[in-house]
Order: sequence, then structure tokens, then C-alpha cells
Amino acid sequence: SQKIEQNSEALNIQEGKTATLTCNYTNYSPAYLQWYRQDPGRGPVFLLLIRENEKEKRKERLKVTFDTTLKQSLFHITASQPADSATYLCALDPNYGQNFVFGPGTRLSVLP
Amino acid sequence: EAQVTQNPRYLITVTGKKLTVTCSQNMNHEYMSWYRQDPGLGLRQIYYSMNVEVTDKGDVPEGYKVSRKEKRNFPLILESPSPNQTSLYFCASRPGQGNSPLHFGNGTRLTVT
Repeated sequence: SQKIEQNSEALNIQEGKTATLTCNYTNYSPAYLQWYRQDPGRGPVFLLLIRENEKEKRKERLKVTFDTTLKQSLFHITASQPADSATYLCALDPNYGQNFVFGPGTRLSVLP
Repeated sequence: EAQVTQNPRYLITVTGKKLTVTCSQNMNHEYMSWYRQDPGLGLRQIYYSMNVEVTDKGDVPEGYKVSRKEKRNFPLILESPSPNQTSLYFCASRPGQGNSPLHFGNGTRLTVT
């Protein structure tokens, strides 16, 4: 069956360290994958998109990798700050624009 | 300001009483979608619309209806709500291109007693 998994429900790290979140998928062949941030009580906000032919994408302190052989995307936040505390969701589009499928999310807490 | 607006933000109702959650976007987006979010289950798609008068079922459409008579509006209708529809609902939109990111509303927390 088709599935998207994110490595852990919750992740605690110390301020200044690099947070690494994992997204694994099964029985999909997405052309691209997206990452979103969600704060409590708010809608998800888009962060980054990476295409299947891109190995890595960066935006400020954020970095995303995409390995279609491993069927995995890694999301890194370097020099993490308490303000980075949120739930992070990965999403893929299995039907070329018709719908998005989201992972369950990882709740990141950056401790001062 | 570009945004997706949902109303109401909070709604408490009783089983069987028809309700509508409105969604409006001011970005001229072709694509709109409804999701529900439940603890441990993540975001699950209810219905989506590729354009005016074009709607299709997502992963969990049972008990819901939608309509897309105008490009900017995509209401979610619960004809006979049940307690298992208690959830946090999000509307989202994006331009027609397949890899464009979704823009989400701020959610509607629905409780059905």
C-alpha cells in the first residue's frame, strides 16, 4: 500500500544544533516533494520544493535532499532557534497536480 | 493581502444539523481543496477542485459535499454531521501548475456532539 512516514512524532534539540527530519515514502513515484511548517492552530505554510532530478535545495538555514532510490527526503535546519519550534510536514503529489498527500508530521522543539 | 479565508474558525453543532464551512481565496487560483486533520492521522484530503464546476473526491469524501460555482469560493457542506466528523478542517488553494505550493487557510475547528 502507499504510505508516507516521518521519522518521529517529536524531536527535541538544543538551540544552535542542526535538526534533521526524515520523510520516507512507499509505492509512490513523485516528480517532486514539498515541505511545510505548521504552528499550533494555524494552517501549514510552504517552505521548500525539491524536484526528482535535484539532489539538494537550500533556502537560508534550510536544506532539503531528495533520494528517489531510497525513497527518502531529509529536511535540515542549521543553527536552530527556539522560533523554529513547530510541526514540519512533507507532502508529495502522486497524480501530477490533482492532489497532495501529506506525511503525519514531526513536532520539533528547539530548547534554549 | 493574498489569503485563503475560512469561516467560521470554531463551530460546535449537534448530530444531524446541516452546516456549511465557507472558503474563499483572492489569488485567482484554479485549484482548491479541503483537508481534515486528526491527531495521529495527519492531513487527509476530502475533496478537491481543479477549476470552476470541476470537483473530485479525495481520500475521505464520505459524509461531505462541495461545490465550485465561482473560482474564488469552495464551500464544504456536511448534510448530516456525525461525531466522527469532529476535526480540524483546512481549505487550501494553488495556481493550476502541478508543482505550485498550497496556500492554506487558518482552519475551522468543528465539534459535533
